[in-house]
Amino acid sequence: AQSVAQPEDQVNVAEGNPLTVKCTYSVSGNPYLFWYVQYPNRGLQFLLKYITGDNLVKGSYGFEAEFNKSQTSFHLKKPSALVSDSALYFCAVRDGIAGAGSYQLTFGKGTKLSVIP
Amino acid sequence: ETGVTQTPRHLVMGMTNKKSLKCEQHLGHNAMYWYKQSAKKPLELMFVYNFKEQTENNSVPSRFSPECPNSSHLFLHLHTLQPEDSALYLCASSQSATPLEQYFGPGTRLTVT
Repeated sequence: AQSVAQPEDQVNVAEGNPLTVKCTYSVSGNPYLFWYVQYPNRGLQFLLKYITGDNLVKGSYGFEAEFNKSQTSFHLKKPSALVSDSALYFCAVRDGIAGAGSYQLTFGKGTKLSVIP
Repeated sequence: ETGVTQTPRHLVMGMTNKKSLKCEQHLGHNAMYWYKQSAKKPLELMFVYNFKEQTENNSVPSRFSPECPNSSHLFLHLHTLQPEDSALYLCASSQSATPLEQYFGPGTRLTVT
């Protein structure tokens, strides 16, 4: 079974400061990891993914995430937060084993990011 | 978001009504999904269709009935819903055979009175 945890319901950060949104996961095989963002009254928008290769993944809007296999983590980061980054962020995982819930992404509960001017 | 569209955006229905949600994707994908998003809960996968065939049904009550006439369109037919079914219903699509990301529509905000 695959699972993902976002330990923080809310993260507050001052504008211009670096931000981190945490995510840990559990899968049987190699993980496929994703971050999505949701603005109010909107659907989820894809930010970035890790499938294989470089542990540091760069995505949209200046976001990046670091895959850490030993800590089973995939934290989302941004060097300098903007007020417009305020939104709900979801981490998702899919098991890389073929046939293991092939089409299912398991999502975390989400972390609300508030960037304070 | 223009790649996946959903109608209506908002829906209020009584428990005895029958209504349908519509999703259309313009991305050339072969897999489509229905999710339920409730406050303070993880996204719940409801149904998965791959090349028009249903491949996943995550123990969804029969008052929710999906229909996928082709790879571009997905419907969710609703009847005799309960107030606890009030939620944001999200449609998504993806390529079917590779671990690519899913693209989501804006959702339908459903309120059952």
